[in-house]
Amino acid sequence: DAGVTQSPTHLIKTRGQQVTLRCSPKSGHDTVSWYQQALGQGPQFIFQYYEEEERQRGNFPDRFSGHQFPNYSSELNVNALLLGDSALYLCASSFRDRAGGYTFGSGTRLTVV
Amino acid sequence: QQQVKQSPQSLIVQKGGISIINCAYENTAFDYFPWYQQFPGKGPALLIAIRPDVSEKKEGRFTISFNKSAKQFSLHIMDSQPGDSATYFCAAADSFKAAGNKLTFGGGTRVLVKP
Repeated sequence: DAGVTQSPTHLIKTRGQQVTLRCSPKSGHDTVSWYQQALGQGPQFIFQYYEEEERQRGNFPDRFSGHQFPNYSSELNVNALLLGDSALYLCASSFRDRAGGYTFGSGTRLTVV
Repeated sequence: QQQVKQSPQSLIVQKGGISIINCAYENTAFDYFPWYQQFPGKGPALLIAIRPDVSEKKEGRFTISFNKSAKQFSLHIMDSQPGDSATYFCAAADSFKAAGNKLTFGGGTRVLVKP
């Protein structure tokens, strides 16, 4: 049973560039949430997608945007990258938009230079 | 605003010992409290979770204790093993929120179990 799949696993970008991260949810899950985890810190909620709509958003600027596709997969886009955007980006899936039953992917390590 | 505070930041325990990690929350709407275990290069994995209608929940060597009046909860790892060496995160959520139930995480505790 495939869990949450994220791609790419690692990425290096230059300041000012744009990046797209991808996530495929666990089979049977229909909700995708994105988290940013800075080194040595706990994950911070970016936003959640359910039924192809953004349901809730954390304290992140509009440079962070997302999308959910009809097959429940999701993309996270970050524009105008800053050095401070360097982090592990985690995707979590669940059934319906409920906190219980979250399954996290292994993340995408983004380095901005 | 950090709504879930976790301590200690790190701890070292001998094999067979007990690891204790504490968390405190502020939002009284929180009603779901999971603990996650994270190994280097991996995403967090759910370890055990509790709701405020019980004061304690045990699964194998892992126990959550919950004190609703103090707004605190803790994780106890009994008979700690070297394979338990990882970073542990407490989290909280309002599961009855109308839409978009996010997890609010603590800052994490790095546990090292010495053989």
